[in-house]
Amino acid sequence: AQTVTQSQPEMSVQEAETVTLSCTYDTSESNYYLFWYKQPPSRQMILVIRQEAYKQQNATENRFSVNFQKAAKSFSLKISDSQLGDTAMYFCAFHGGSEKLVFGKGMKLTVNP
Amino acid sequence: DTGVSQDPRHKITKRGQNVTFRCDPISEHNRLYWYRQTLGQGPEFLTYFQNEAQLEKSRLLSDRFSAERPKGSFSTLEIQRTEQGDSAMYLCASSLLSAEEDTDTQYFGPGTRLTVL
Repeated sequence: AQTVTQSQPEMSVQEAETVTLSCTYDTSESNYYLFWYKQPPSRQMILVIRQEAYKQQNATENRFSVNFQKAAKSFSLKISDSQLGDTAMYFCAFHGGSEKLVFGKGMKLTVNP
Repeated sequence: DTGVSQDPRHKITKRGQNVTFRCDPISEHNRLYWYRQTLGQGPEFLTYFQNEAQLEKSRLLSDRFSAERPKGSFSTLEIQRTEQGDSAMYLCASSLLSAEEDTDTQYFGPGTRLTVL
């Protein structure tokens, strides 16, 4: 069974700083997808970024980018120029042969003014 | 595109009562998922539908839980004889699996928060 581990339960940064959220996963599959979702306080889960395992190029989406290390089974999210609106729970998720998403426990990010 | 909607947003019930939640997916999406999220945890998969067919159910989905997706549109999740351990956020997600892509991205609704007293 796949597992997703987010070892940092909580982080805080100052506005405009860069922050990196870590995620590791365990799978025996070779073809899979990885996602980062954010869940702002009392609001719904929003897709941040998606990475296909067969692609060597790291995904980027505006201020969000990933560092995907397939051999190490590591999938970190970098947020550049942090904004107050980035304050949220961030979840790393794995999507493999089964159609379900397997989520980590999440990490609470607080961006301070 | 109005996004995934869920109703009600909050439900408080007494132990032993039955509750039903509704999810309306993004209109062209053919897949619909239910997840449960407890405090301090990531969402856990419950079940999913492709069109009207329920294709996978988690062991978390005990026989008190039933889900339907008649006509492949909206879905309902019913919990019979609720227990305090059922208190959680119930999330619905939808996706479109197309011939052009080899996987689908799931988009989530706002969730229904259930409190069982």
